[in-house]
Amino acid sequence: AQKVTQAQTEISVVEKEDVTLDCVYETRDTTYYLFWYKQPPSGELVFLIRRNSFDEQNEISGRYSWNFQKSTSSFNFTITASQVVDSAVYFCALSEEVRDDKIIFGKGTRLHILP
Amino acid sequence: DTAVSQTPKYLVTQMGNDKSIKCEQNLGHDTMYWYKQDSKKFLKIMFSYNNKELIINETVPNRFSPKSPDKAHLNLHINSLELGDSAVYFCASSPLVSGRRTNEQFFGPGTRLTVL
Repeated sequence: AQKVTQAQTEISVVEKEDVTLDCVYETRDTTYYLFWYKQPPSGELVFLIRRNSFDEQNEISGRYSWNFQKSTSSFNFTITASQVVDSAVYFCALSEEVRDDKIIFGKGTRLHILP
Repeated sequence: DTAVSQTPKYLVTQMGNDKSIKCEQNLGHDTMYWYKQDSKKFLKIMFSYNNKELIINETVPNRFSPKSPDKAHLNLHINSLELGDSAVYFCASSPLVSGRRTNEQFFGPGTRLTVL
């Protein structure tokens, strides 16, 4: 069965610190997609990244980086030099290609960046 | 602007009423979805339509009925509203590329429904 676990419910760090948000997933499929979404206090869902199961290369986009490790079924997200504007709820999600393309979301990690 | 839009943004209503939430996307996508986000921020899919055809129908009460008049619109009608229906409802759309699903979903801004 599909499952996404974000064990960290809430994290607080001081501005400029680095922070890593953990995501562990479960799937029986060999082809699947992993996502991260950001939900700021304003409430909209902002797409951050999509990674397919055949691409284990880590990705960096500015202060954001993602570490995909199939061996541990993890897709962790790191924010470097955090800023107050990074404060949001972050969702990790999974979609299996062989099924319909519904996305299963983790329960989210609420990140507080303190000034 | 190209986007997924939802109306209304806020909806406050009494228990027992019937209400609709509208969703439109002008991205030319083939598939549209409805998600519910509860008070604990948990996001769960409710329905998806591909070219007006129902694809996903999760365990949702019959009081919820999606309607897709065309592939750019997916409306959500809710009958006999209950307190537990209070949530934020997100619409999303997703393109097909070369006939294959991309699994990338673009979300609308959400509709906050409050049932009193």
